[in-house]
Parts: sequence; structure tokens; C-alpha cells
Amino acid sequence: AQSVTQLGSHVSVSEGALVLLRCNYSSSVPPYLFWYVQYPNQGLQLLLKYTSAATLVKGINGFEAEFKKSETSFHLTKPSAHMSDAAEYFCAVSEARGAQKLVFGQGTRLTINP
Amino acid sequence: GAVVSQHPSRVICKSGTSVKIECRSLDFQATTMFWYRQFPKQSLMLMATSNEGSKATYEQGVEKDKFLINHASLTLSTLTVTSAHPEDSSFYICSARREVAHNEQFFGPGTRLTVL
Repeated sequence: AQSVTQLGSHVSVSEGALVLLRCNYSSSVPPYLFWYVQYPNQGLQLLLKYTSAATLVKGINGFEAEFKKSETSFHLTKPSAHMSDAAEYFCAVSEARGAQKLVFGQGTRLTINP
Repeated sequence: GAVVSQHPSRVICKSGTSVKIECRSLDFQATTMFWYRQFPKQSLMLMATSNEGSKATYEQGVEKDKFLINHASLTLSTLTVTSAHPEDSSFYICSARREVAHNEQFFGPGTRLTVL
């Protein structure tokens, strides 16, 4: 079975500050890992994904994440927050093979202070 | 590319009626589509996996007779909520998988269902 834990249901940073959203996963098989962003009343947009290639993954909108197997982590970072980054962020895990169902974390709401 | 649409975006219905939600992959073929349910301020919960031309696979606790899923073509899957009740009110989101190799799923914009 797989699971995802996002530390912090709500993160607040100042505009221009570093954004760090934490994600830890549990998986008995090699995982694929994803970060999605959701704006109010909308679906999910893929920010980036790890699929067993480079451990440092760069995504859209200046976000990146690093897969650390020893720490079972896949934290999302952005050097400088923009007001437009305010949204809900979901970390998800799936198996690399098989059904590949996505298992989502509980989400982290990011607020950007002017 | 890789656009997934859902229709309707919002629906309000009376208790006891059935509601059909469509999920379409507009510019790619999707052999597999997924249906999720999201309660307010909560995460997405997978309801079922829909494979073109075969029966859907439902997650534990999801009533297959309540939530009917049909995946008749490589670009269309439908979710029908039968005899809807207020507790079925939720945000329903579909995703379509474009590429199996990297589990590349693209999400629709969601459908908000309100049952009165």
C-alpha cells in the first residue's frame, strides 16, 4: 500500500520569500511522485513529477522538487514566491507499474502575504 | 495539448434524480480514465478506474450501482450518480491517462454536484 503525508495543512509566506512544501511518502515498490496545484473550483494541474530519472525535478512556474529515497521525501520548493502561487498543493504517489492509481496527500494551502 | 474537459461544470438536482457527468480527452486517446471525489477542503479520493471497453474497477466502499461508469470510447467516460441524495453532493473530478510509461494523467476542471 502507498500513502502520502503532507506536513502542514496551511503554509503562509511573504511575497519573494522561499516556498517549501513538505511531502513524505510510503511505498513498498518503486514510486512515481507528483506535485499538483489546484486553484479554487478547478481541477488539478501538474507541476512536476519524478519517474525514476533525475532526483532533482524541475517543473512549471519555477517550482522544483527533490526525490530523497533515504528520507522518503519529495519536498516542493520555489526560491521566490509570487502572489499568483496562492493555491492548494497536493503531493501524490503511484506505483511505477500496475494499476498506477494516484494516492494523494491531504493538501497544503499556500497563502502569499504582500 | 492534453486537455480534458468535463460537462457540466456545475449541476443542481433534486433528491432522487440521476445525474450524468461527462469526461472527455479532447486531443488525445485515453485507454484509462479515473474518477475522483473531493469534499470541501479535503483531498481527492479515487472512486474508480475506467478502462475503455471494459467494466470499471471500483475502490473499496464505492457503490458500483450508485455510481455508474461507462467508458465507451477512447475519449469519453461518463459517471452517472443514480438516485442522488444530499450526501452525494461533492466535487467530482476525472483524469485521463495519456501515457502509461510515466503515469501521465491529466485532470478535468471538475463538476460540482449539489443535491437538494
